[in-house]
Amino acid sequence: GQQVMQIPQYQHVQEGEDFTTYCNSSTTLSNIQWYKQRPGGHPVFLIQLVKSGEVKKQKRLTFQFGEAKKNSSLHITATQTTDVGTYFCAGLIKAAGNKLTFGGGTRVLVKP
Amino acid sequence: KAGVTQTPRYLIKTRGQQVTLSCSPISGHRSVSWYQQTPGQGLQFLFEYFSETQRNKGNFPGRFSGRQFSNSRSEMNVSTLELGDSALYLCASSSRDSSYEQYFGPGTRLTVT
Repeated sequence: GQQVMQIPQYQHVQEGEDFTTYCNSSTTLSNIQWYKQRPGGHPVFLIQLVKSGEVKKQKRLTFQFGEAKKNSSLHITATQTTDVGTYFCAGLIKAAGNKLTFGGGTRVLVKP
Repeated sequence: KAGVTQTPRYLIKTRGQQVTLSCSPISGHRSVSWYQQTPGQGLQFLFEYFSETQRNKGNFPGRFSGRQFSNSRSEMNVSTLELGDSALYLCASSSRDSSYEQYFGPGTRLTVT
């Protein structure tokens, strides 16, 4: 079964508001990657986190890797219509033979 | 650098037929991974090839197979197509292996009727 879970599955956000999407794994991850897929497009790499407790920022996006390396979050501030899309986390699970396992994604819809 | 290319972009096949999809990675990338994307199951890992060797395989039946050529181009084959194989098939390349950032192609939309 799927070992990387993302919540929420859908996120309706008012333009200008903040939101957070969460990624949880049942096993320890070697690293975690985040991707964004625009409607009709393909996933595009955003960032990779490797260290326990790591925090990285990209403009309005803040990515965190949990201390136990089992969870991660993506926080977006002041949401814009350009943030529309599906955000996927992908965890590298050594116990699964170093396979990159994608979460189900959070589909973000922005209300202007 | 040119991005990852996939051909064909769209394909309609009949149940029971077989299909071959092609992927050309970014120049210099030796790792190619294949994923199946469906609305219900999300992104499911099929397999990864590195330097012509299958490095990893997902939980798909033996009808799904792949290979990689010496120029890193990769093909994926699905035999005896089933209706449930209808999906977007994405190929991704990486400079080292799938533990590093992956660059996805536009995908091949396969419809099985």
